[in-house]
Amino acid sequence: GENVEQHPSTLSVQEGDSAVIKCTYSDSASNYFPWYKQELGKRPQLIIDIRSNVGEKKDQRIAVTLNKTAKHFSLHITETQPEDSAVYFCAARVLTGGSQGNLIFGKGTKLSVKP
Amino acid sequence: DAGVIQSPRHEVTEMGQEVTLRCKPISGHDYLFWYRQTMMRGLELLIYFNNNVPIDDSGMPEDRFSAKMPNASFSTLKIQPSEPRDSAVYFCASSVGPSYNEQFFGPGTRLTVL
Repeated sequence: GENVEQHPSTLSVQEGDSAVIKCTYSDSASNYFPWYKQELGKRPQLIIDIRSNVGEKKDQRIAVTLNKTAKHFSLHITETQPEDSAVYFCAARVLTGGSQGNLIFGKGTKLSVKP
Repeated sequence: DAGVIQSPRHEVTEMGQEVTLRCKPISGHDYLFWYRQTMMRGLELLIYFNNNVPIDDSGMPEDRFSAKMPNASFSTLKIQPSEPRDSAVYFCASSVGPSYNEQFFGPGTRLTVL
């Protein structure tokens, strides 16, 4: 079936450094790629998303880039802060392989920002 | 707006018992999703509804799982009989429009089957 691979599974950075999380997807027809942040014991919340008609999107310290040819997209967090510590999930909207437009989530990246 | 509401927040039950999880989506949202989250398998879509109609239930693990949405403001996920491997956090989410619009997640129900 369709798949979304996410790397790394854990990431530890020093406060102020940048963090990059990468995802690859298998469905070339995918057209929507959201990123969710889940703090410990809380619900996933959307932090940024990108559609397939753009290559990059920024929102303050976070940005997402999309390479449709290579079928991968990345989350970039600059000037990391301790409150950025959480699990981050990428997702892709799947349109083939029997799916009807579901979101397939990556396994998550646990980001730890050390003060 | 209170957001997506789920109940109960925690459920501990014994193997073989029936479990019913409840969800109230955000008013005006026409899509409702049920997810299961475990360490091993991550966040998995179980089923989703559009305008109260089940659209895709291919993620439902087996016949022990069933979901209903009798009206626009209420949905249930039932497990009967429950098994220890069903232990997980179950999230309900809703959105306006299909899955290329933001999905708003509820707080989740942590289910433990002993």
